[in-house]
Amino acid sequence: DTAVSQTPKYLVTQMGNDKSIKCEQNLGHDTMYWYKQDSKKFLKIMFSYNNKELIINETVPNRFSPKSPDKAHLNLHINSLELGDSAVYFCASSQQVNQPQHFGDGTRLSIL
Amino acid sequence: EDQVTQSPEALRLQEGESSSLNCSYTVSGLRGLFWYRQDPGKGPEFLFTLYSAGEEKEKERLKATLTKKESFLHITAPKPEDSATYLCAVQAGGNEKLTFGTGTRLTIIP
Repeated sequence: DTAVSQTPKYLVTQMGNDKSIKCEQNLGHDTMYWYKQDSKKFLKIMFSYNNKELIINETVPNRFSPKSPDKAHLNLHINSLELGDSAVYFCASSQQVNQPQHFGDGTRLSIL
Repeated sequence: EDQVTQSPEALRLQEGESSSLNCSYTVSGLRGLFWYRQDPGKGPEFLFTLYSAGEEKEKERLKATLTKKESFLHITAPKPEDSATYLCAVQAGGNEKLTFGTGTRLTIIP
């Protein structure tokens, strides 16, 4: 049973397109996160939702918009994709904000 | 701003050769320090949380310790399956986010 699952695993698309990544967790956690891992493997927080409410919104271009339809889901929509958006995007969840976070296996986004 | 520095960037050990990985941090009011393991093509896998200086946690061949300025991940008699990137992250002050270091890539040679 996958605890935090992301779809798709790979996403290859053209510059300027709009795409979405979906994340679901079956751990019953209250808090979910989106991270970006760049080519140097540096992992940086983008957004966090607690009980469907946005609690962390780092300095991220407003082309990125998270949506949390319920506690178990946190999706990431990206408009007008740029070359610099190429990275691995990880979804994570935790029971509370100061508890260990559990990560999905990532979505590798490649912009052509 | 919270800062986390991990060293070394990469470490190659012979199987059975014990060593330590370092995580130095500068934060305002540490709430927790987290260690993760990441395998290629996978997400980070949680290992330990340490909350206060002097605390230690152990799991199989791994032992994590914490002081007021740094944390160590000690690896005793490692095996090839311990090869991975080990990430350290801190949560501090009134901030809910985790700030990660850039990791140590550990390779255990049979």
